[in-house]
Formats: sequence, structure tokens, C-alpha cells
Amino acid sequence: AQTVTQSQPEMSVQEAETVTLSCTYDTSESDYYLFWYKQPPSRQMILVIRQEAYKQQNATENRFSVNFQKAAKSFSLKISDSQLGDAAMYFCAYRSTQGGSEKLVFGKGTKLTVNP
Amino acid sequence: AAGVIQSPRHLIKEKRETATLKCYPIPRHDTVYWYQQGPGQDPQFLISFYEKMQSDKGSIPDRFSAQQFSDYHSELNMSSLELGDSALYFCASSLGVGNQPQHFGDGTRLSIL
Repeated sequence: AQTVTQSQPEMSVQEAETVTLSCTYDTSESDYYLFWYKQPPSRQMILVIRQEAYKQQNATENRFSVNFQKAAKSFSLKISDSQLGDAAMYFCAYRSTQGGSEKLVFGKGTKLTVNP
Repeated sequence: AAGVIQSPRHLIKEKRETATLKCYPIPRHDTVYWYQQGPGQDPQFLISFYEKMQSDKGSIPDRFSAQQFSDYHSELNMSSLELGDSALYFCASSLGVGNQPQHFGDGTRLSIL
């Protein structure tokens, strides 16, 4: 079974600075998807960014980018120019590509605080 | 853009009661997923449906059942409720499977007294 590990329960960053959230995963599959979801205090689960394992190019969405290291099974999220609205719980998630197994497997989350 | 609609937003029940949670996916989405998120926990997968058929099953108690209807909305039925069932229940939907991302609703907060 796949597992996702987020080793940083909490992180903090100053407004306008850059922060990197770590995520590692364990799988025997060669093709899969990885996601970062954001959960603010309003409790919504918001998709931040996704990466397909067969793509070597790191995904980027505006101020959010990932560092995908397939061999190391690492999938970190970098947030540039941090804003107060970025404060939230961030979950890293894995999804298999095998048919009938499309569920998301989440890490325990990293709580990000943005200081003004 | 239309999002995933879950109802009710909050629900309070007592032990041994039953509850039904509803999920209306994004229009044209044919796949629905249910997740349970306990206090301070990560979401745990319960069950999913694709084209009205169960496609995957996770750690869903036998006291729970779910189905997807012809209009693709889904209902999660929970019986003999226990204190430990208090959680945030998310529904997510996607268009088919494969590389399509799951879009989450705002969740139903279930509290068992």
C-alpha cells in the first residue's frame, strides 16, 4: 500500500518570503499522480497543484511550484512571495493510476503560518 | 463555475441514530468519492463510484453504505452512529478517472452527542 509522509507538522514564513513544504511517498508503481491540497480554516479542500509521475518537468501554478524527484520519491511544494491568505493546512496526496484504485492517499498535513 | 455541493453543511445526531449525507457533483462529473476527516487528521478514503457502480472501497464501516444515483448525485447512509463517527465528511468528484483531479465539496460536519 502506498504511504505519504509529511515530516513537518508546522511551518512558518514571513509575508513575501519563500517557504518549502516537504513530502515523501512510498510506492512500487512507476506511474501515478501527486497533488498538493490546501485546507484553510474554512475547511475547504482546495487543489493547489498536481504532478504526473511520467512527466519530468516540475509543475508550476503562479506562486506555487513543486520539486519532483521521482527516484527519491520526493514531492516538495515551494510557495514564493507568501501571502497572508496562504495560511492553511497543506496536504500532500498520492493517487494510483491502476484501474479501480483512484482514491487519494493523504499525508498528515503541514500547518503553514504566514507572519505579517 | 459550479462546484461540488454537499448537504447538510452541519448535522448533529445522537448515538445509535442514522444520518444521510448528500453530494451533488460538478455537472458532467461521473465519479464521486467520499472521505472522512477526523479532528486534526488527514482525510481517509471511504468509498467511490464511477458511472453509478462502486469503483473502490476503503475503510468504510459496515454500518455505512453509499450509492450513486442516475443523476450522478451520491448519498452516504450512516446507521448506529457512534461518538467516533464525529468528523468532517467530504465528497469529491471528477470527470472519469485517470489524470482528472478530484474537486472537493465544502464537507458536512457531523457531530455525535
